[in-house]
Amino acid sequence: GQNIDQPTEMTATEGAIVQINCTYQTSGFNGLFWYQQHAGEAPTFLSYNVLDGLEEKGRFSSFLSWSKGYSYLLLKELQMKDSASYLCAVRTNTGFQKLVFGTGTRLLVSP
Amino acid sequence: DVKVTQSSRYLVKRTGEKVFLECVQDMDHENMFWYRQDPGLGLRLIYFSYDVKMKEKGDIPEGYSVSREKKERFSLILESASTNQTSMYLCASSLTRDRGLITEAFFGQGTRLTVV
Repeated sequence: GQNIDQPTEMTATEGAIVQINCTYQTSGFNGLFWYQQHAGEAPTFLSYNVLDGLEEKGRFSSFLSWSKGYSYLLLKELQMKDSASYLCAVRTNTGFQKLVFGTGTRLLVSP
Repeated sequence: DVKVTQSSRYLVKRTGEKVFLECVQDMDHENMFWYRQDPGLGLRLIYFSYDVKMKEKGDIPEGYSVSREKKERFSLILESASTNQTSMYLCASSLTRDRGLITEAFFGQGTRLTVV
C-alpha cells in the first residue's frame, strides 16, 4: 500500500524561509515530485527528485532521502504569491507506474 | 508548452445521468491520467492509460470507465452519476523517458462536477 504524509497547513511571513515535509511508506518507490496548486487552479510541477540529495531551482529546493522515506520542499525569500497548496507525489512501479499524491500542505504567507 | 485541455470547467448533472468528461493533450504524450480531488483527501487516481486503447484501473475506479481511442484524447465516463461523484476532476498527461520512467504529469484546468 501507499501512505504519504504532509502537514495540513503552515503559515509563514513574507521574506522568510519555510520547509514543507513529506514522509512516505510506499512499495515500489522510484521518484518523488513536488507540485504547487493555487486555489481553483490546476497543480503545476515544481521539482523532481530521484537520487538522494538536494535539487535547487531558484527560490525552491527539494530534498530526498530514500533510506528515510522523507522529502522536503524548501521555499526561500517567501512572497505573497507563494500562498498555495504544495503537493508531494511519489512515483511507484508496483505493476504499472503511477503517481500517488499526498493530501497537500496549504501554505499561507502573510505580510 | 504542454497544453492539457478539459472540455468543461463546470458541469451540473442529475443523478443517474451518463456523464462524459473529455481531455485532450497536444504534446504527443503516451501517458494520460484521470484524478479526482476532494478536500482532505487530495488527488486520487481513477484510471490511467499508457497507450491508445489501453487502460488500467487506479485506486478508485468504481462507478467510472474510460476510453482512449486516439493518443491525444482520454475520456472519463460516469455510467450513472451519483451525488458522491460530485468533485473536481483533473486530467493529466506525461511522457515516458529513459529506463521506462514516467515523467512529471501536466494537468488540465479541471472540471468541477456537481451531481444533484
